[in-house]
Amino acid sequence: DTEVTQTPKHLVMGMTNKKSLKCEQHMGHRAMYWYKQKAKKPPELMFVYSYEKLSINESVPSRFSPECPNSSLLNLHLHALQPEDSALYLCATAWDRDQGNTIYFGEGSWLTVV
Amino acid sequence: EDQVTQSPEALRLQEGESSSLNCSYTVSGLRGLFWYRQDPGKGPEFLFTLYSAGEEKEKERLKATLTKKESFLHITAPKPEDSATYLCAVQAQKLVFGQGTRLTINP
Repeated sequence: DTEVTQTPKHLVMGMTNKKSLKCEQHMGHRAMYWYKQKAKKPPELMFVYSYEKLSINESVPSRFSPECPNSSLLNLHLHALQPEDSALYLCATAWDRDQGNTIYFGEGSWLTVV
Repeated sequence: EDQVTQSPEALRLQEGESSSLNCSYTVSGLRGLFWYRQDPGKGPEFLFTLYSAGEEKEKERLKATLTKKESFLHITAPKPEDSATYLCAVQAQKLVFGQGTRLTINP
């Protein structure tokens, strides 16, 4: 069983809506990640937080806004999304960003933009 | 540029028919190679981490091996429940995924 919990599991939103995806981990990991995955493609890195600070933004459009309120929580705020943003959004964690540590994924949040 | 290539893209086996999945990579400064299993609509499930050439790890019907240029995921006497997409990823400056192998085990 994964120790990375994502909510909601499914989300349908209109292009003018504001919504948030949430991720919680209780493994004491210091690195947290957001990935986006389209059908039949591997996960694509969006953001990396290390010790609660944003360390990598992979040129993600500003309609996606990450937030790390504390060491256990990671949010992804969504605003004015496009239909092509529909995908599986994965939260992941690792002990440390830089040491080749295993990255553990949550079950994901399915997002549909209508 | 760091690259990971998985083959085959898709593989169909009969139950009990053993085979291997390949992951070849070119990275500068390998920090780890990871295998994940992903079921449709779910997040990747961690299977193995390998760090150095010659290393091997096993879990039930799966065995992962690593050389300087590639890794193999051997599946012995597979069952239908082993059907999934298997993802290989290498950690260099960042985690780079291969495209995955879609494995189907027919009863």
